[in-house]
Amino acid sequence: GAVVSQHPSRVICKSGTSVKIECRSLDFQATTMFWYRQFPKQSLMLMATSNEGSKATYEQGVEKDKFLINHASLTLSTLTVTSAHPEDSSFYICSARAGNSNQPQHFGDGTRLSIL
Amino acid sequence: AQKITQTQPGMFVQEKEAVTLDCTYDTSDQSYGLFWYKQPSSGEMIFLIYQGSYDEQNATEGRYSLNFQKARKSANLVISASQLGDSAMYFCAMRGSGSARQLTFGSGTQLTVLP
Repeated sequence: GAVVSQHPSRVICKSGTSVKIECRSLDFQATTMFWYRQFPKQSLMLMATSNEGSKATYEQGVEKDKFLINHASLTLSTLTVTSAHPEDSSFYICSARAGNSNQPQHFGDGTRLSIL
Repeated sequence: AQKITQTQPGMFVQEKEAVTLDCTYDTSDQSYGLFWYKQPSSGEMIFLIYQGSYDEQNATEGRYSLNFQKARKSANLVISASQLGDSAMYFCAMRGSGSARQLTFGSGTQLTVLP
């Protein structure tokens, strides 16, 4: 149980393109979803936290206009990288949690974004 | 503020031997949770083991055990009988004190199991 599906797994696109990444909880309702970014050989850095039906809470230094997060339903959150540039190339991982904050976080398989 | 420290950027272990990956943490919370995840080169985060701050027994899951020393604020992962498939990046994480109680990760340890 507790499967999180992230799509696409890999994206290669031109600079200036907007890219949408989907994160779905397949067998549970995700009250809270998290988006992380990971550079090669580095740790996961939290970008933002979103609760269903509410605006996302962004971490310091993360541009909310650059990284648009929508958590419109209990099973789907999307991250849109707007007008992506080469410096946005990274590994993006979503995580979902059901119920209260004592529940575990379940991770998607990540999206490798490459901007040319 | 919370902090997770993993001081070993890379570790090598011979196949079938045991290895300990270090993790220390800093928090002012009385109640917290500690996690270990494995990340192979394909990128997915695989949950390994969890230790709650009030758990009196050290957590164990198959070949994984967590050496929890609360007074020293350490939560080392011990992998017994290492296998070649254990080669991966390992992250220690703590459940946050923020309102969302999100996970905060250490910098990771790259484990390589040698044949």
